[in-house]
Amino acid sequence: GAGVSQSPSNKVTEKGKDVELRCDPISGHTALYWYRQSLGQGLEFLIYFQGNSAPDKSGLPSDRFSAERTGGSVSTLTIQRTQQEDSAVYLCASSLRTGPTYGYTFGSGTRLTVV
Amino acid sequence: KQEVTQIPAALSVPEGENLVLNCSFTDSAIYNLQWFRQDPGKGLTSLLLIQSSQREQTSGRLNASLDKSSGRSTLYIAASQPGDSATYLCAVTRLPGANNLFFGTGTRLTVIP
Repeated sequence: GAGVSQSPSNKVTEKGKDVELRCDPISGHTALYWYRQSLGQGLEFLIYFQGNSAPDKSGLPSDRFSAERTGGSVSTLTIQRTQQEDSAVYLCASSLRTGPTYGYTFGSGTRLTVV
Repeated sequence: KQEVTQIPAALSVPEGENLVLNCSFTDSAIYNLQWFRQDPGKGLTSLLLIQSSQREQTSGRLNASLDKSSGRSTLYIAASQPGDSATYLCAVTRLPGANNLFFGTGTRLTVIP
């Protein structure tokens, strides 16, 4: 597609439930990132995928968080046993590749509310 | 560790005024620097990207400069409009081997009609 697409745009879930957030990057983009932004806070790096390489999971806050990227395209971020502190906007970004001439395109985000 | 700082945190200006937003970073070993805007409850929209070898980039009323040696970038907005009201974020990418953007905390701009 023309841009990075994220779904759902909003998700309200009960504490303890599992949620899946989807990111559809720009076609052909090899790099994909997940960030989250808590209310009034800056962007927090979660995970990075580059091509077929093993993902960099160093930003995942706990083992309740996991992500996969199938076929080098669509990515799913899964949060198990959600907690109220997981409430945030989850943003996905993609880039054609890493390098000085390549910028990042962000999706509109998924606003997750855990009640 | 790369740290990115944006000053001021918030800025209010009357419509039509020119303004400058500042971004500083501690590690000059960067690939590029990107300026984004974020509207409330929305994702990030890319405004300008400056490669590490460049000094400035321009798009319409926006001009971004980069002084890598001093670890500074500025975003200049000419003839501000109420529609420019948003949070402006700068982000730097590190040299090869890195795998994420380092974001500043943003400047919240309000342009008063």
